[in-house]
Amino acid sequence: QPVLTQSPSASASLGASVKLTCTLSSRHSTYAIAWHQQQPEKGPRYLMRLNSDGSHIRGDGIPDRFSGSSSGAERYLTISSLQSEDEADYYCQTWGTGMEVFGGGTKLTVL
Amino acid sequence: QVQLVESGGGLVKPGGSLRLSCAASGITFSDYYMTWIRQAPGKGLEWLSYISNSGTTIYYADSVKGRFTISRDNAKNSLYLQMNSLRAEDTAVYYCASRPPGVWGKGTTVTVSS
Repeated sequence: QPVLTQSPSASASLGASVKLTCTLSSRHSTYAIAWHQQQPEKGPRYLMRLNSDGSHIRGDGIPDRFSGSSSGAERYLTISSLQSEDEADYYCQTWGTGMEVFGGGTKLTVL
Repeated sequence: QVQLVESGGGLVKPGGSLRLSCAASGITFSDYYMTWIRQAPGKGLEWLSYISNSGTTIYYADSVKGRFTISRDNAKNSLYLQMNSLRAEDTAVYYCASRPPGVWGKGTTVTVSS
């Protein structure tokens, strides 16, 4: 089954942009993924579905500051104009017949 | 407005059982595959099980196979997770969600401790 690899942590300054990476195992490089945000002490929130061609569909109410892109087995989440409330854990997820898999998550600190 | 609301969590002794429920509103529940996911304290997200919209197709993660049973009642717009032979390592917040991803519940907390 797929393996999703995320860096444990990232940081960026208020108002800046940050690009988070989720890397699919090479045999599964064509899989779509979903990005989720989990703010401190809250449940996860769906951000978007991201396809292998880079097309993405944001969830309801998700601002266009959140965007996705893809390159090979890499799936990216770019957050622009960083706000304090963007400080959160970000998880990628993929799914297929008989399974769903999450990455280990990236803790984003907004400086 | 789409909403998933979990209930049924609580404190249970090792070896005990719990049944979690997830009530859906704002969606045509019978159109959706549904999934259970959990998050142990300070840890990441772990997929547990999913069920097809009709209930005829079910899969489990190895960590819960044989102990947990997923089911649904489309007439009641509800998803369930029967958890038996609970262990300390099952302590977590349990979430229901749609599949493919799109909607999350807010979670219910299960604590397994003597």
